[in-house]
Amino acid sequence: DAKTTQPTSMDCAEGRAANLPCNHSTISGNEYVYWYRQIHSQGPQYIIHGLKNNETNEMASLIITEDRKSSTLILPHATLRDTAVYYCIVRVEGNTGKLIFGQGTTLQVKP
Amino acid sequence: GAGVSQSPRYKVAKRGQDVALRCDPISGHVSLFWYQQALGQGPEFLTYFQNEAQLDKSGLPSDRFFAERPEGSVSTLKIQRTQQEDSAVYLCASSLVGTSILQLDTQYFGPGTRLTVL
Repeated sequence: DAKTTQPTSMDCAEGRAANLPCNHSTISGNEYVYWYRQIHSQGPQYIIHGLKNNETNEMASLIITEDRKSSTLILPHATLRDTAVYYCIVRVEGNTGKLIFGQGTTLQVKP
Repeated sequence: GAGVSQSPRYKVAKRGQDVALRCDPISGHVSLFWYQQALGQGPEFLTYFQNEAQLDKSGLPSDRFFAERPEGSVSTLKIQRTQQEDSAVYLCASSLVGTSILQLDTQYFGPGTRLTVL
């Protein structure tokens, strides 16, 4: 599975949009981009995933560049409860399904 | 509905002791994963079950680690002769179907078991 690169940490003001970048320059055509987050002392939680089109659900939006070498997770109106470590993961269909987590981005939402 | 549960939530063991960690996946979920998360790190894959079959155990760090899922539901991760480097949070995750149907393959994680080896 392709490796991802994320900033170590980011801050965001409460109520503002949080934009979390991820680089995956070696991504292959059949690899999906997944985002999970982990709130302190909890297990990781699925947020969203996509292949090449932008995606939106009730939690977030995912913007994937045309060349698919990078993506951005957008939390449109961050709240204090969104403070967590966010993991960008690239997965290929048909493998064992295991998730390969990197270090992630620690997002601190501040009042 | 009920999510993935794990027990105990916290376990303290003396070096050399054997421990058993339990995972109750979401009812009906076919796939079950175990991950290990060291302090300040992302989770790392240990092993994967599809029903009762252990299809991937490539992440188990040594032969002291053993996992089973005999009836295709509850799973137990056993660590023999624990060492200090085994101290970590052990996470269990389940997903509804087998891995070939990616669209449905959202993994739901339990809260983890924090193991401390003294």
